Amino acid sequence: DAKTTQPTSMDCAEGRAANLPCNHSTISGNEYVYWYRQIHSQGPQYIIHGLKNNETNEMASLIITEDRKSSTLILPHATLRDTAVYYCIAYNTNAGKSTFGDGTTLTVKP
Amino acid sequence: GAVVSQHPSWVICKSGTSVKIECRSLDFQATTMFWYRQFPKQSLMLMATSNEGSKATYEQGVEKDKFLINHASLTLSTLTVTSAHPEDSSFYICSAPMAESTDTQYFGPGTRLTVL
Repeated sequence: DAKTTQPTSMDCAEGRAANLPCNHSTISGNEYVYWYRQIHSQGPQYIIHGLKNNETNEMASLIITEDRKSSTLILPHATLRDTAVYYCIAYNTNAGKSTFGDGTTLTVKP
Repeated sequence: GAVVSQHPSWVICKSGTSVKIECRSLDFQATTMFWYRQFPKQSLMLMATSNEGSKATYEQGVEKDKFLINHASLTLSTLTVTSAHPEDSSFYICSAPMAESTDTQYFGPGTRLTVL
């Protein structure tokens, strides 16, 4: 898997959009960008993934730059329950396994 | 919806004993499951890939004789920590692909192992 780089921590006000960046400058053409989050002492939870196009689901939006070297996860209206560690993974289908980086600790504040 | 369960949620054992952790896929079958370990304030580290009906594939640096993995059915994988020592105390998490045709993972809730 390509290496991903994320800020260590971020704060966000409740009700505002949370924009979490991820750099994956060495991503290859067949690697997907996956986002998971982990709330304290729980297993990770899938959020969203994409290859080239921007994606949106009920949880979040994923914006991938045209050169695919970076992406941004957007939580449109952050709540206190969105406080978690967010992991961005460049997933190689051929490798068949996920390598987690250090992630971003997002703290949503009232 | 489909989920992955783990049992037990937490376990405390004496040094030198063995501990078995179960990972079950509920409502779906998983020919492959993954085992991770997570130390406090650290990220998840992949330990091994569990393959139904065949041997597990271990990541570099993970002792296969210490961390025994058995994937005996399409819904159950077990991780046995043999001769556990305090340094094996950690949060163990399993995952399984949501479907055969996808790489998206369902993760279990994790098992907290404390070795005294």
